[in-house]
Amino acid sequence: GQQLNQSPQSMFIQEGEDVSMNCTSSSIFNTWLWYKQEPGEGPVLLIALYKAGELTSNGRLTAQFGITRKDSFLNISASIPSDVGIYFCAVKGLTGGGNKLTFGTGTQLKVEL
Amino acid sequence: EPEVTQTPSHQVTQMGQEVILRCVPISNHLYFYWYRQILGQKVEFLVSFYNNEISEKSEIFDDQFSVERPDGSNFTLKIRSTKLEDSAMYFCASRVGGGGRSGANVLTFGAGSRLTVL
Repeated sequence: GQQLNQSPQSMFIQEGEDVSMNCTSSSIFNTWLWYKQEPGEGPVLLIALYKAGELTSNGRLTAQFGITRKDSFLNISASIPSDVGIYFCAVKGLTGGGNKLTFGTGTQLKVEL
Repeated sequence: EPEVTQTPSHQVTQMGQEVILRCVPISNHLYFYWYRQILGQKVEFLVSFYNNEISEKSEIFDDQFSVERPDGSNFTLKIRSTKLEDSAMYFCASRVGGGGRSGANVLTFGAGSRLTVL
């Protein structure tokens, strides 16, 4: 099946630092999404990307849809303790598959005060 | 803000027992989904449902699984005879529908139901 690889697998950073994580695939996708999951909760959408090369921000978060349509990155600026959680990328396919999402392997973020 | 609500939040069951997980999607949403997340792993698609029928299902969604929308508000996932490997968080999700690139096409997830099979 389709595989999305995220890196790094986990990060342990200092409060105030900037964070960067990415997601890659061997296949092309036409929609890339970034979700955050906190313990005991469902994924919550952070940013949706619909066009290759698109750069979108949501507060301190910025995400880009790679020009090849095979990757995306998420940046968090000036991290704070509540940024802790697991960040998942997700994609929707080119043809068929409706709105089925395929999720990445996740990047766990831990923020040290 | 509208939410997808799921019950129970946690269910413990014996292997071989039937389990029903319930979801109340957002009221004007037309497309419904179940996803599963085994502890420490990624979220996996199980099934999508629209217009009272399954639109798509994954290979995980075998004959032991079924979904139903018994009334205008609930959307249920039934596991007929649970196995140890069914232990996971089960997430319900919904979206408004409609084509194109818009927020209406984005899934909203519930907080999940944790299933523990002993």
